[in-house]
Amino acid sequence: DVKVTQSSRYLVKRTGEKVFLECVQDMDHENMFWYRQDPGLGLRLIYFSYDVKMKEKGDIPEGYSVSREKKERFSLILESASTNQTSMYLCASSLKAGVGTQYFGPGTRLTVL
Amino acid sequence: AQTVTQSQPEMSVQEAETVTLSCTYDTSENNYYLFWYKQPPSRQMILVIRQEAYKQQNATENRFSVNFQKAAKSFSLKISDSQLGDTAMYFCAFMKHGGYGNKLVFGAGTILRVKS
Repeated sequence: DVKVTQSSRYLVKRTGEKVFLECVQDMDHENMFWYRQDPGLGLRLIYFSYDVKMKEKGDIPEGYSVSREKKERFSLILESASTNQTSMYLCASSLKAGVGTQYFGPGTRLTVL
Repeated sequence: AQTVTQSQPEMSVQEAETVTLSCTYDTSENNYYLFWYKQPPSRQMILVIRQEAYKQQNATENRFSVNFQKAAKSFSLKISDSQLGDTAMYFCAFMKHGGYGNKLVFGAGTILRVKS
């Protein structure tokens, strides 16, 4: 069965802290994605990776960075968390070939105080 | 750039009834894919149905079917015989054919509540 896991379901951090969100997939997928989900805005792409050590900016990369050292793991980093980064963060993965249906993780609800 | 619009923020339907969720999109591409994803309360997002733009036949998956109107750039989802488990946020999404990354562009979502 397809599986995408995220390190935390809920996270509370303080302004200025460095935050790591981790995502792991067990499907040998080449592509991995980080989205943030906000009410009325749907999902917006932060970063994606199409191979190990490869990354591309999405639509809203400001204030975020990513790391992909291994194929199965994709990390999202908030270098200095701010209150406007309070949101739900969703990770997804897909095969590079074909239609590339994306499979999603359960999400991490991050609150920055 | 592509955009996806879901004009109904919330909808409700009685159990066993039929409901249609609307989605329109804007693109200059000719080859693309359209998706409906479902996000149940506090649960993972899952794919409901997918449509390839080059196929004229509307996709169906059990109680879920789409009405794909390419010229009108419309992609609505019909849920027949609604069940309580259909209560969820539904997202319409667009993906351009080809290129790398298989990036999705999402609409804002529609909350569907199925009432008993």
